[in-house]
Amino acid sequence: GQNIDQPTEMTATEGAIVQINCTYQTSGFNGLFWYQQHAGEAPTFLSYNVLDGLEEKGRFSSFLSRSKGYSYLLLKELQMKDSASYLCAVRTNAGKSTFGDGTTLTVKP
Amino acid sequence: KAGVTQTPRYLIKTRGQQVTLSCSPISGHRSVSWYQQTPGQGLQFLFEYFSETQRNKGNFPGRFSGRQFSNSRSEMNVSTLELGDSALYLCASSPDRDEQFFGPGTRLTVL
Repeated sequence: GQNIDQPTEMTATEGAIVQINCTYQTSGFNGLFWYQQHAGEAPTFLSYNVLDGLEEKGRFSSFLSRSKGYSYLLLKELQMKDSASYLCAVRTNAGKSTFGDGTTLTVKP
Repeated sequence: KAGVTQTPRYLIKTRGQQVTLSCSPISGHRSVSWYQQTPGQGLQFLFEYFSETQRNKGNFPGRFSGRQFSNSRSEMNVSTLELGDSALYLCASSPDRDEQFFGPGTRLTVL
């Protein structure tokens, strides 16, 4: 089976940098996704990593280490609108995606 | 391009009834996945359909079933509803094994 762990809650200050970690255990790893979900809305895609290293996309970056079963999402220059739940999802070779329970990020002024 | 649409958006049913939810994926997307989201359990994978075939299945009882039509539209059916089935049901479409695009969800309440 698959097991995905991420912190339940995090708080950060507007303008700061925050790192949300995700650890996973899976067989047949085929990619890791990060999604953002605002309260009452559907998740939206943020980033995708399949090879080790850092993927940068504007204020958001995501890192993957397959040997350690570890990823993080880095959010820079935090804005109030970044307050949301951030979901880590692992996909297997069979195409099945398993989501973590999500990290609720609160950005304070 | 139109996004993923789900109908109905809200539904109230009573225990023992059955329900059918519908999902229309983004045009050209052949993969449709269904998820159940509850505050306590997070996003739980139900099943995935690709080109009218169930490609993956989660760990839900047989009361939960689905199908996909030739135009990629998908339906999910839950029979003999239980109180614990109250949840937000999300549908996500994808070209294949790529990032998923989620619909707004159907909020099901079982009384």
